[in-house]
Amino acid sequence: GAVVSQHPSWVICKSGTSVKIECRSLDFQATTMFWYRQFPKQSLMLMATSNEGSKATYEQGVEKDKFLINHASLTLSTLTVTSAHPEDSSFYICSARGAAGWNSPLHFGNGTRLTVT
Amino acid sequence: QKEVEQNSGPLSVPEGAIASLNCTYSDRGSQSFFWYRQYSGKSPELIMSIYSNGDKEDGRFTAQLNKASQYVSLLIRDSQPSDSATYLCAVNSGNYGQNFVFGPGTRLSVLP
Repeated sequence: GAVVSQHPSWVICKSGTSVKIECRSLDFQATTMFWYRQFPKQSLMLMATSNEGSKATYEQGVEKDKFLINHASLTLSTLTVTSAHPEDSSFYICSARGAAGWNSPLHFGNGTRLTVT
Repeated sequence: QKEVEQNSGPLSVPEGAIASLNCTYSDRGSQSFFWYRQYSGKSPELIMSIYSNGDKEDGRFTAQLNKASQYVSLLIRDSQPSDSATYLCAVNSGNYGQNFVFGPGTRLSVLP
């Protein structure tokens, strides 16, 4: 089956530093990847849609200059949280679809738990 | 109006019972429907997909789709404590199925 690998699984950083999270599709090519954020006991919140070779599309209220997304190849998308602050502490999850079309499900990475101190 | 709606729960059922999870959606043009399970602190995992009206069975899970009523459900037979999780309904929408919309999830608790 389709496997999405996300790294790191957890990270602790100091306020003001930047953190990069990688999302890889291991056995399929992902033209589109999605980045979600989830706070404890809350729903998944879509942050942005990452398209290979083009700029990401951000959801309303998500700062594109703070959450930098790069989708440089068909198997890798990265999310960089710049100048992180404690309120950015959350569970970040990437997902990927192998192909466009109605029947293609999303496959999720294992998530990255970010703690900003 | 929210695009995909689910009861937030918690839904509590005794071990061995049937758990019934419901989902409604607003986009009549949607054609693909998915159920994901999310354990606390983990990412969602795909458990069922359904595209045609009717029932689709996979082990203890049965997905049911009624496009006329814009309704999707998931039945879990012989519920086990390990089934305790949040269940997310997801719907493909958009002209090309490019949008993937999640419901808020229903928290299921199976009591031993």
